[in-house]
Amino acid sequence: AIQMTQFPSSLSASVGDRVTITCRASQGIGNELGWYQHKPGKAPNLLIYAASNLQSGVPSRFSGSGSGTDFTLTISSLQPEDSAIYYCLQDYNYPRTFGQGTKVEVK
Amino acid sequence: EVQLVESGGGLVQPGGSLRLSCAAPGFTFSDYWMIWVRRAPGKGLEWVAHIRGDGGQTYYGDSVKGRFIISRDNAKNSLFLQMNSLRAEDTAVYYCARNRDYSVSGIHYDLYDMWGQGTSVTVSS
Repeated sequence: AIQMTQFPSSLSASVGDRVTITCRASQGIGNELGWYQHKPGKAPNLLIYAASNLQSGVPSRFSGSGSGTDFTLTISSLQPEDSAIYYCLQDYNYPRTFGQGTKVEVK
Repeated sequence: EVQLVESGGGLVQPGGSLRLSCAAPGFTFSDYWMIWVRRAPGKGLEWVAHIRGDGGQTYYGDSVKGRFIISRDNAKNSLFLQMNSLRAEDTAVYYCARNRDYSVSGIHYDLYDMWGQGTSVTVSS
């Protein structure tokens, strides 16, 4: 199975900060990667698909980039409601695999 | 907003079985692949299983292959996960989700765009 490695595993930033999360695949996956946000007690929420496409209804401060093995999720101006765990997911082949998650804390 | 509803979770002994259900009203259920994802306590999300709209193709995560069976009843707009030979490490909140297929230049991307709130499974003696 393709291994997805995210870093950092956690971060703390202030409102208005620019935040970047990185996801690295153990082999090339083209642009077949999504990003999900998960808050405690809630359902996960799709943010980005096909590496850089913003899901409908998701604020434009979220963006994704990358291809091959290296991908990033950027929050351009962190908001209090962005406190959550963020996961990348490769949909290049089966089994699909998530990264281990990045916990984002808003100071 | 959440539009899928999972049920069937609970406490089960190691080696036991449990069947989870996911009700999916409000859209043409048979048009969509569906998935199960879980999150164990203190761990991250884990992709569990995937089933095609007509039920004719299924895929499983390595940790559940041979023990779990994903299925669906399109007439009842329902998704299922039969979990057998349960282990303590299967303890998790299980989520069902809809996969809205997005295709560009022959590449099919997964978009898990609708989720349930989850049902909790505890495997313990």
